[in-house]
Amino acid sequence: DTAVSQTPKYLVTQMGNDKSIKCEQNLGHDTMYWYKQDSKKFLKIMFSYNNKELIINETVPNRFSPKSPDKAHLNLHINSLELGDSAVYFCASSLTWTASGNTIYFGEGSWLTVV
Amino acid sequence: DAKTTQPNSMESNEEEPVHLPCNHSTISGTDYIHWYRQLPSQGPEYVIHGLTSNVNNRMASLAIAEDRKSSTLILHRATLRDAAVYYCILRLYGQNFVFGPGTRLSVLP
Repeated sequence: DTAVSQTPKYLVTQMGNDKSIKCEQNLGHDTMYWYKQDSKKFLKIMFSYNNKELIINETVPNRFSPKSPDKAHLNLHINSLELGDSAVYFCASSLTWTASGNTIYFGEGSWLTVV
Repeated sequence: DAKTTQPNSMESNEEEPVHLPCNHSTISGTDYIHWYRQLPSQGPEYVIHGLTSNVNNRMASLAIAEDRKSSTLILHRATLRDAAVYYCILRLYGQNFVFGPGTRLSVLP
């Protein structure tokens, strides 16, 4: 079983469209994350959720709206897509938010291309 | 965010040991040192982590300096599959995992 799974893996869409990426973890973790990796390969945190509550929003445009229906799911909805949104989006999870010894598990990534 | 410093790139020959260094001079007592790696076209994966003592697992060893201001990830016998970007991360209590640029490891056959 895949620990952190995200869909779709590849997504090509036109500017101005709205799209969603779904993420599920079966590890029983409390904390989930969205990271963005751009063409320069830097991996940047976007959002952190703990027990379905948003705890970190790293100055991401409000066109990006995460939603966590339960602890095992964290979806990312993007409105009015722009060319600069093209990137790989990684979902991740960790057991808890606070403990610095906890490890983080990543999904395989969703490759978003905006044309 | 706690900072780590790693070389941009390193090369190794296949079947030889690799020592990947990381400096983290601002580390505090409760910060864990984590190492992750990212293979091409994949998400980052956990390698090893530690607090004060050296750690070993099936993938690698982590050697932590006595003052904890630096650490070294040791791959005992590099394979072609170990070619990846290796990230050294300080995880602070209640803070995100912050990824730097990492070290790109090339393994030569």
